[in-house]
Amino acid sequence: EAQVTQNPRYLITVTGKKLTVTCSQNMNHEYMSWYRQDPGLGLRQIYYSMNVEVTDKGDVPEGYKVSRKEKRNFPLILESPSPNQTSLYFCASSIRDGRRGNEQFFGPGTRLTVL
Amino acid sequence: GDSVTQMEGPVTLSEEAFLTINCTYTATGYPSLFWYVQYPGEGLQLLLKATKADDKGSNKGFEATYRKETTSFHLEKGSVQVSDSAVYFCALSDPGTASKLTFGTGTRLQVTL
Repeated sequence: EAQVTQNPRYLITVTGKKLTVTCSQNMNHEYMSWYRQDPGLGLRQIYYSMNVEVTDKGDVPEGYKVSRKEKRNFPLILESPSPNQTSLYFCASSIRDGRRGNEQFFGPGTRLTVL
Repeated sequence: GDSVTQMEGPVTLSEEAFLTINCTYTATGYPSLFWYVQYPGEGLQLLLKATKADDKGSNKGFEATYRKETTSFHLEKGSVQVSDSAVYFCALSDPGTASKLTFGTGTRLQVTL
């Protein structure tokens, strides 16, 4: 089954304790992204990757890191989490296909709480 | 830059009522347009899409038409069900890149018996 998986689905942590949220896709997509969802703000892109070893900042990259060492994986790293990073996080993948509108496929989400 | 504006929610309707959720966009090129749905406690699912002007996307009784002249992509359904209760997001994708969707803020729909 074609899918994007994320782990963990739920995480409660404390300020300053480094954490990693994993993301993996099995569709051989070149593009992968991380978004955060906050009430009243919709989804905002944090980082994206156009292929292995190619990453770039999205709209709200501060406080986050990513890496793309393999095509299928795109982990999100919070080196020193703060309470304002409490949010619902989504990983997504896509291919560049104008006929399909560059549709993105989303993972199930990770709800992060930073105390 | 690109932006998407959706009507504020929540929208509360009785079962079998007609639904419209307005969405307008600003983009420099000719974007693709999407509606995603998020059911309670779940991730985002693509509901429908349109890739060029005058295209109509449809799925599960929902429809939306890409109107370039009014830069709109309003979501409609003729008869909503309780199971349609969810948050609906309008989004656009710049055709020059597959790297990003620009989302509206989302509209919560609650359907009651």
